[in-house]
Amino acid sequence: TQLLEQSPQFLSIQEGENLTVYCNSSSVFSSLQWYRQEPGEGPVLLVTVVTGGEVKKLKRLTFQFGDARKDSSLHITAAQPGDTGLYLCAGASSSNTGKLIFGQGTTLQVKP
Amino acid sequence: EAGVAQSPRYKIIEKRQSVAFWCNPISGHATLYWYQQILGQGPKLLIQFQNNGVVDDSQLPKDRFSAERLKGVDSTLKIQPAKLEDSAVYLCASSWASGGYNEQFFGPGTRLTVL
Repeated sequence: TQLLEQSPQFLSIQEGENLTVYCNSSSVFSSLQWYRQEPGEGPVLLVTVVTGGEVKKLKRLTFQFGDARKDSSLHITAAQPGDTGLYLCAGASSSNTGKLIFGQGTTLQVKP
Repeated sequence: EAGVAQSPRYKIIEKRQSVAFWCNPISGHATLYWYQQILGQGPKLLIQFQNNGVVDDSQLPKDRFSAERLKGVDSTLKIQPAKLEDSAVYLCASSWASGGYNEQFFGPGTRLTVL
């Protein structure tokens, strides 16, 4: 069974601080996605990483896929209140049907 | 481009009652997914359709849950009878095709409370 564990589960920081969210598994994933979900809405895709060791940047967000494709991290620089939300990592199932295995999520609160 | 539409947005029922959710995917998207998201957890796939055929329903509690996508467009998810542990947000998503690299677009979800 493929599982993804995220840490931390909750994070409350002040505006301007940096933070890192981790997504770990004992299984290899062919690709990994990061989503952000706001209250009352569905998850919205932020990025897809495919290659081991890959680093992608989206403004103040930096995503990294582990060399062995078992883990990933999301780093936010100078967090802003607009970054508040639930961050979810999701790995593509080995069945290659498009099925996603989601982590339990990290709730981020950025206080002004 | 219109997004994934879901209705109702909220539903409160008593245990042992029945409930149905509706989803209209993005036009042209062949693949449709139903997820269950319990508070404090990530979404869990219940069923995946490719056009009107089922690709994966391995985590669908088939004794009480059913889903259909008769014409390969809209879909309904039904729970009969509901249990307390079914309280969750039910998310519908769609993508152009199946496969690991296809972006899934999610609807706003239906929040179900079972009393």
